[in-house]
Parts: sequence; structure tokens; C-alpha cells
Amino acid sequence: NAGVIQTPRHKVTGKGQEATLWCEPISGHSAVFWYRQTIVQGLEFLTYFRNQAPIDDSGMPKERFSAQMPNQSHSTLKIQSTQPQDSAVYLCASSLGGNSDYTFGSGTRLLVI
Amino acid sequence: GQQVQQSPASLVLQEGENAELQCNFSTSLNSMQWFYQRPGGSLVSLFYNPSGTKQSGRLTSTTVIKERRSSLHISSSQTTDSGTYLCAMELNSGTYQRFGTGTKLQVVP
Repeated sequence: NAGVIQTPRHKVTGKGQEATLWCEPISGHSAVFWYRQTIVQGLEFLTYFRNQAPIDDSGMPKERFSAQMPNQSHSTLKIQSTQPQDSAVYLCASSLGGNSDYTFGSGTRLLVI
Repeated sequence: GQQVQQSPASLVLQEGENAELQCNFSTSLNSMQWFYQRPGGSLVSLFYNPSGTKQSGRLTSTTVIKERRSSLHISSSQTTDSGTYLCAMELNSGTYQRFGTGTKLQVVP
């Protein structure tokens, strides 16, 4: 069990460029979550999928951010026209769903310059 | 308001001392989980503990769901215990976990 795999580990983009972050959940886990972590805000929920269907994206910024889960083996978080305030560690987690524990990936550290 | 309150916000211990970290929830919850994070590191699950007491080595977690609280006891602290301890809850209605702001622990020799 390789755990939740996130790629890339680090990403530097120029302001206005697009960034795509990848997450491979643990095999068999039906729920996938995206969080963003900054020193100021702490851990912020962004969105989550259950059985590949988007369930709750209430934490996603209304513009520029989108997430997809085209198959059960991976999810992507895309940020268009990145801004310096998007700099953060983006964390993906998966769980069996329902009343079960979460496993987090190592995160993608995004820096927008 | 903040649904998950953690205390203390920060703590400095001498190696060998014990610590008790608290997590209080402002609403009914379905489950909770304790995580540990080193600076710049990933979140490592310590306990998934919806109720009762669980122990792993020098760590003990006790959750009292009816009272909407959980604690994490660290005994005989070591310098390698330094880092941030986060608790998270999942509401009765399900959806995603909500995190506290964490307790930053520093253990000095």
C-alpha cells in the first residue's frame, strides 16, 4: 500500500499560469478530499468526491479553481491564472467513506511568483 | 465560529514531561481523528477514535462523544515528539472533516 500519492511534490509557477495538481487515492477508497494549508488560514477544505462524483465543493474559490475525478484512481485540482495568494500546500486525502479515518498524501507545495 | 477548538495553542516541555492536549467540538460529531505534523511535513494519523480510549506506545487518546471532547496524552515526552498536533471532526451529517488550528509542541532536552 503506497498510501495517497500526490504529484508533483513542489511546483513553481509564474503569475497568470495554470497549475494542475494530481492525487492518486488509496486503492479501494471511495472518498477523496482536497484541502489547502497555509500558515495563516491553517487547513481549509476545498472539495470532495465520493465514488468519483463531486459531493461538496463549498470550499473551492468560485473562480479559477476546478477539480475532477475522471476515474477511481486519480483526481486533479486545476488552478487557472494562478495568483501569489494561491501559494500554499495542497493536500489530498482519501478514506473508505462514511465513518472511517482519513489518510493524507504528502502534499504539493505550490509557489506562485 | 470555530467548530473545533484546540488547547493549548502552543506548549514547551522538558524532555520526560507529560502533556495533555485538548480538543473540543461545538457541535455533535460522528467521529474524530488525531494527526501529527512536522514542520513542512505531511499529516500522519495518530488515532481514529470516535469514542473511548485508545493507546499506542506513549500516546493515549480519549474521546467522550457525548461531551464533545477528545484528549491526547503524551507520556515521557521526547524531542522527536516536537511538531504540531491537529484534531479533526466529522459531523453527524457526514461530509468532510473539519480541523482545529493545532497545538504546537516543542520538547527541549
